[in-house]
Amino acid sequence: DTEVTQTPKHLVMGMTNKKSLKCEQHMGHRAMYWYKQKAKKPPELMFVYSYEKLSINESVPSRFSPECPNSSLLNLHLHALQPEDSALYLCASSQEASYYEQYFGPGTRLTVT
Amino acid sequence: QQPVQSPQAVILREGEDAVINCSSSKALYSVHWYRQKHGEAPVFLMILLKGGEQKGHDKISASFNEKKQQSSLYLTASQLSYSGTYFCGTGNSGGSNYKLTFGKGTLLTVNP
Repeated sequence: DTEVTQTPKHLVMGMTNKKSLKCEQHMGHRAMYWYKQKAKKPPELMFVYSYEKLSINESVPSRFSPECPNSSLLNLHLHALQPEDSALYLCASSQEASYYEQYFGPGTRLTVT
Repeated sequence: QQPVQSPQAVILREGEDAVINCSSSKALYSVHWYRQKHGEAPVFLMILLKGGEQKGHDKISASFNEKKQQSSLYLTASQLSYSGTYFCGTGNSGGSNYKLTFGKGTLLTVNP
C-alpha cells in the first residue's frame, strides 16, 4: 500500500478560526512532509519530520504549527490565517528524510475568507 | 535554489517523443521527477542519484549529468495519460537537512 491519506479534502475557514489538517501513512516511512502549493506553481516545502522530530522548518509563519503524534500521523494546526494562505496543502512521506522517493497525499484545498 | 526547467510547455500528438530538461546552478546530490495531473497529487516517476544510481518506472527514462548539473526526462511514444505537469526536484545533500526544491514545472499536453 503506497497511499497517503489527508483530511479534510476541502476546508474553508475564517481568519479567526482554528482548524487542523491531518495526514496518515501506513508504509512504515520515517519521514513526513508538509508542502504548500499555489495554483500553477510547484510545491513549496514547509516542514520535514524525521523519526517524529521536526528537522526542517522553512521559516514558516507561526500561524502554522506542525505536529507529529506518531510515526504514521502528521497534523498541521492552523490559527489566524490570512487570505494569502489559501492554497493546496500536500502531505508526503518517504522511507527516510533523504533521497528516497516521496509519496504525496491528495491534499487539502484550503480557502481562508 | 530553484532548478530551471525547460521547456515551460510542450504539446504532442500521441506517439510522439518529448524531452524535459532540468538544470541547477548548484552541485546536485539527487534529482527527482514527478508528474502532477490537474487536481491530483504529484506522482513519483524517477530518482537519479549522484554516482549513477537510478530508480523509477519501467516506461520512463532519464539522465543525470553531474558535471553539468543537469537532468533530462525522456518520454517516448507518448500516450494520452502522459499529459500533466512535470516537476523536477533537486536534492541539496545527503545529510540530515536533505530537502527537495522543485522547478516551476513543464506542462505536457498529449493530443489524439
